Amino acid sequence: SQQGEEDPQALSIQEGENATMNCSYKTSINNLQWYRQNSGRGLVHLILIRSNEREKHSGRLRVTLDTSKKSSSLLITASRAADTASYFCATALSSSNTGKLIFGQGTTLQVKP
Amino acid sequence: GAVVSQHPSWVICKSGTSVKIECRSLDFQATTMFWYRQFPKQSLMLMATSNEGSKATYEQGVEKDKFLINHASLTLSTLTVTSAHPEDSSFYICSAPPGVSGYTFGSGTRLTVV
Repeated sequence: SQQGEEDPQALSIQEGENATMNCSYKTSINNLQWYRQNSGRGLVHLILIRSNEREKHSGRLRVTLDTSKKSSSLLITASRAADTASYFCATALSSSNTGKLIFGQGTTLQVKP
Repeated sequence: GAVVSQHPSWVICKSGTSVKIECRSLDFQATTMFWYRQFPKQSLMLMATSNEGSKATYEQGVEKDKFLINHASLTLSTLTVTSAHPEDSSFYICSAPPGVSGYTFGSGTRLTVV
């Protein structure tokens, strides 16, 4: 399977703490994206990082990409209870120009107030 | 920005019946639409790619006769789950290819087969 792996599978922290999630993938990519999914709901696009980028910031989010290790991390700083959700990485393969995505297994984040 | 409207948001059907899910691109044309499935507490898996004017492309292991995908126009793609069974209960979500606004997903459909 080309599906990526994420760790941890579940993460529970207190409000105000930082949360770090990791994603590993198997093949060459054009870009890697992170999505949030609240329970039973659709996907919210958080951030996209291209294969030639190493780090990207958006508000309280910081994403890194290491193409040599085929891995990425998502850091959420100063977490809030509203950040409670599942987080998925998704890769757009460089072997495909169609735009289809391969999703990681996801990390379930619980932020306790 | 680009919007993909997906309906219904949830549906409950009896075992053996068929269910149609629609995805419409509201302010842009999409020659391709991706269909994903997500079982409870699992990740999203690509099922198939619909193509306007040609047959859909199915991923390995996805039954073509069970999951009928049609790309009727440049703004409409449909997924029909035929003869649904409880094991087909899942979250189905569509996505348009990346455009100027990036990747655009529908809001998803929660299918429950009883």
